[in-house]
Amino acid sequence: AQSVTQLDSQVPVFEEAPVELRCNYSSSVSVYLFWYVQYPNQGLQLLLKYLSGSTLVKGINGFEAEFNKSQTSFHLRKPSVHISDTAEYFCAVVLTPGGYSGGGADGLTFGKGTHLIIQP
Amino acid sequence: EPEVTQTPSHQVTQMGQEVILRCVPISNHLYFYWYRQILGQKVEFLVSFYNNEISEKSEIFDDQFSVERPDGSNFTLKIRSTKLEDSAMYFCASSEASSADTQYFGPGTRLTVL
Repeated sequence: AQSVTQLDSQVPVFEEAPVELRCNYSSSVSVYLFWYVQYPNQGLQLLLKYLSGSTLVKGINGFEAEFNKSQTSFHLRKPSVHISDTAEYFCAVVLTPGGYSGGGADGLTFGKGTHLIIQP
Repeated sequence: EPEVTQTPSHQVTQMGQEVILRCVPISNHLYFYWYRQILGQKVEFLVSFYNNEISEKSEIFDDQFSVERPDGSNFTLKIRSTKLEDSAMYFCASSEASSADTQYFGPGTRLTVL
């Protein structure tokens, strides 16, 4: 079974400062990786995903993440945060089609989330 | 932009009662999912649905739970006899294709079991 660890439950950052939200995963088979954001009282919205190819992926709102296979990590970064980035951020994985013998509608495995708090 | 919708936004029920949570996935999507998030805990996968049948389910999805696509637009989650520990936010999601595709989430239904 796969698992996702987000070590930081809360990350306070000053506005316009850079931020990195950490994500590590564990899986015996290959996975796809995702970052979702949840703004207050809203559903989860995809920030970015890694399927294959370049290990640096760029997403919406200026976020990017780097897949590191040897360290089984997929950390999320933004060079300069804004007040509007205050939200809960979830890292998630799903088995690649070759990693599961099911019908392909595989559920995401989420980390516990990191609450990003932007301080003025 | 098309979006996943869920009704109701908040459901309060008595323990032992049946509840049905409703979702309208994005119209051209073929894969549907239910997740739940107990307060303060991680989002957990419950079940996925494709081609009018369950594709995958987690150990949480026991006999008390069922899913259905009663018509061409709705996707429902039924809890037959609710327990206190079923209190959670329930999210519906849909995707156009399989696991590589983005799963689009609805705003959630907060279920409170008293």
